[in-house]
Amino acid sequence: DIQMTQSPSSLSASVGDRVTITCRASQSVSTYLNWYQQKLGKAPKLLIYAASSLQSGVPSRFSGSGSGTDFTLTISSLQPEDFATYYCQQSYSTPFTFGPGTKVDI
Amino acid sequence: EVQLVESGGGLVQPGGSLRLSCAASGFTFSTYAMHWVRQAPGKGLEYVSAITSNGGRTYYANSVKGRFTISRDNSKNTLYLQMGSLRAEDMAVYYCAREIIVVVPAAKYMDVWGKGTTVSVSS
Repeated sequence: DIQMTQSPSSLSASVGDRVTITCRASQSVSTYLNWYQQKLGKAPKLLIYAASSLQSGVPSRFSGSGSGTDFTLTISSLQPEDFATYYCQQSYSTPFTFGPGTKVDI
Repeated sequence: EVQLVESGGGLVQPGGSLRLSCAASGFTFSTYAMHWVRQAPGKGLEYVSAITSNGGRTYYANSVKGRFTISRDNSKNTLYLQMGSLRAEDMAVYYCAREIIVVVPAAKYMDVWGKGTTVSVSS
């Protein structure tokens, strides 16, 4: 199975900050890399697919980059509603493993 | 409206069984692969199982292989997860999700998720 890691595991930020989360795969996943946002008690929400494609309806302050084994999720200007946990997921091969998550709080 | 609604969760004793259901609406269920993902209390997301659109192929995480069975009834627009030999570590919220496949750019992702159903394992 492909193992996913994320860093940092948590971060504290303020409204307006630029936030960057990194994700690394244990082997190349090409650009089969997705990012999800999860708020407490809610289902995950897709933000980015194919490493850098923005899901419909997701604000443009979210962006993704990378290919192969190293990926980045960037929030250009953090908004109050962005405080949540973010997960990367590889969909290159089953099982579609998730990273351990990055909690973004104040 | 595209929607997935899970049901069937509850309290079960260790070693017991439970069947989860996921009712789909608002889209042509039979043309999509489907997944189960779970989240233990205070933990991250864990991939559990998947099934192709016609049910011909299935996939399981090592942690549930041999104990869980995924299936679907396309005539009823419903996905199932039969869980057996349940353990304390199976206690979680179980989500079903729809898989999307895109050719350009090449991608597979889960675009619609249910709200989840909670499974508790305790004596």
